[in-house]
Amino acid sequence: DAKTTQPPSMDCAEGRAANLPCNHSTISGNEYVYWYRQIHSQGPQYIIHGLKNNETNEMASLIITEDRKSSTLILPHATLRDTAVYYCIVRARSEKLVFGKGTKLTVNP
Amino acid sequence: DVKVTQSSRYLVKRTGEKVFLECVQDMDHENMFWYRQDPGLGLRLIYFSYDVKMKEKGDIPEGYSVSREKKERFSLILESASTNQTSMYLCASSYEGSRGLRQGRRETQYFGPGTRLLVL
Repeated sequence: DAKTTQPPSMDCAEGRAANLPCNHSTISGNEYVYWYRQIHSQGPQYIIHGLKNNETNEMASLIITEDRKSSTLILPHATLRDTAVYYCIVRARSEKLVFGKGTKLTVNP
Repeated sequence: DVKVTQSSRYLVKRTGEKVFLECVQDMDHENMFWYRQDPGLGLRLIYFSYDVKMKEKGDIPEGYSVSREKKERFSLILESASTNQTSMYLCASSYEGSRGLRQGRRETQYFGPGTRLLVL
């Protein structure tokens, strides 16, 4: 199963774009990259996922490098409510989702 | 929107009590999961279910059992609660069926709000 590496914490100014990096150098060809976030004391919230093409939805954009060894989650206009722990997950061969330690994003006013 | 609900947000029980945690999803998902989350340990899978009356052990099933009598409902049971079961319990559900998962298809799990259980 591929593992991911994320910075433990990041800060972002309100209204600016938040770019959260993730390394997954051992990802397999059929594994997707998922992003979830968890706001304090709540359940994880699905954000976006992708295989090799860039993806965008109403919450965020996902940029995956051509070699698929890394990706970046982009929150285009961060708000205070985006303060959370963000998890980059590469789906394991089994049905399990394996959450690492994630990146604690703090959006500052 | 997918909705996953859990019966309680906060629960306090005594050691030795039998505890039931209920989870309901309204999206006709085949798969349902129970996790616990502890500081420094991340999310750990306890049990999951592909379909009604089917269950599979996750990474830490000891001390727990589950029940899936209806597709929309997945119950986690602590037969005799212990203090080391104090934790945040999270339920999740996803659409792809077991055949799709074994074929390597993607899954998107949607989580409930969590139940904070304190065992005294």
